[in-house]
Amino acid sequence: KAGVTQTPRYLIKTRGQQVTLSCSPISGHRSVSWYQQTPGQGLQFLFEYFSETQRNKGNFPGRFSGRQFSNSRSEMNVSTLELGDSALYLCASSLEGTGGPGETQYFGPGTRLLVL
Amino acid sequence: GNSVTQMEGPVTLSEEAFLTINCTYTATGYPSLFWYVQYPGEGLQLLLKATKADDKGSNKGFEATYRKETTSFHLEKGSVQVSDSAVYFCALVLNDYKLSFGAGTTVTVRA
Repeated sequence: KAGVTQTPRYLIKTRGQQVTLSCSPISGHRSVSWYQQTPGQGLQFLFEYFSETQRNKGNFPGRFSGRQFSNSRSEMNVSTLELGDSALYLCASSLEGTGGPGETQYFGPGTRLLVL
Repeated sequence: GNSVTQMEGPVTLSEEAFLTINCTYTATGYPSLFWYVQYPGEGLQLLLKATKADDKGSNKGFEATYRKETTSFHLEKGSVQVSDSAVYFCALVLNDYKLSFGAGTTVTVRA
C-alpha cells in the first residue's frame, strides 16, 4: 500500500501570503489529522477530519483552516502568513481516528514551510 | 487535559549500550500509548503501541509496557546501534481523535 503523501515537500513564502498544503491518506483511511512541528513548541495538533467533517481542532488562530474531500484527501490553508508559521507540517491518516486496537496514525513525510 | 512528559535528553550512548527513555502521561481515562521515531529530515514512523494496561508493545528490539498504576510507558532497548540515532516521541490518544506528544528525546549512538 502506498503511504501518506504530502505535497509540496518544501515551500518558501513571504509574510502576508497564503499557502495551501495537500495530503493524500493511505487508501481506505478516512481520518486525516494535521500537526505542526517547530523546535520551540514541538508537535502540536491542528485539526482532524473524518468523512469531510472536522471533529477536533487545536489551539491555533483562525488563519489556519482545513478541509477534507469525499475521497478523504485533505488540504490545510494558512492565510496571512507570519514568520512564526515556519514549521514542518505533518499529516497523518488512520482508519477511524479513535486510537483503539488496530488503529494507528500513519504520518507523511511533511511539508517544510519557510516564511520570509 | 491530556499530556505526556518524557525525558528530553539529549541522550548519547555507545553502540551495544542499554537505552531507556522515560515517559509518563496524564489522561482522563484509558488512552492508547505510542512511541514514534523521527529520523533526520523525515516524518514520524510508528515504533510500537499499546492499547490497554499491561500490554507490551515491541518492534525492532524496542519494548515498552503500559503501566496504569504508574501512568508510564518507558521505552527500552537492550543493545542500540548507530542506526537507532533519531528523535523519539511518546504519545497518547484518547477519545478526542488527536495525538498528544511529549517533547521528544534526541538519541545519538556512537560507534
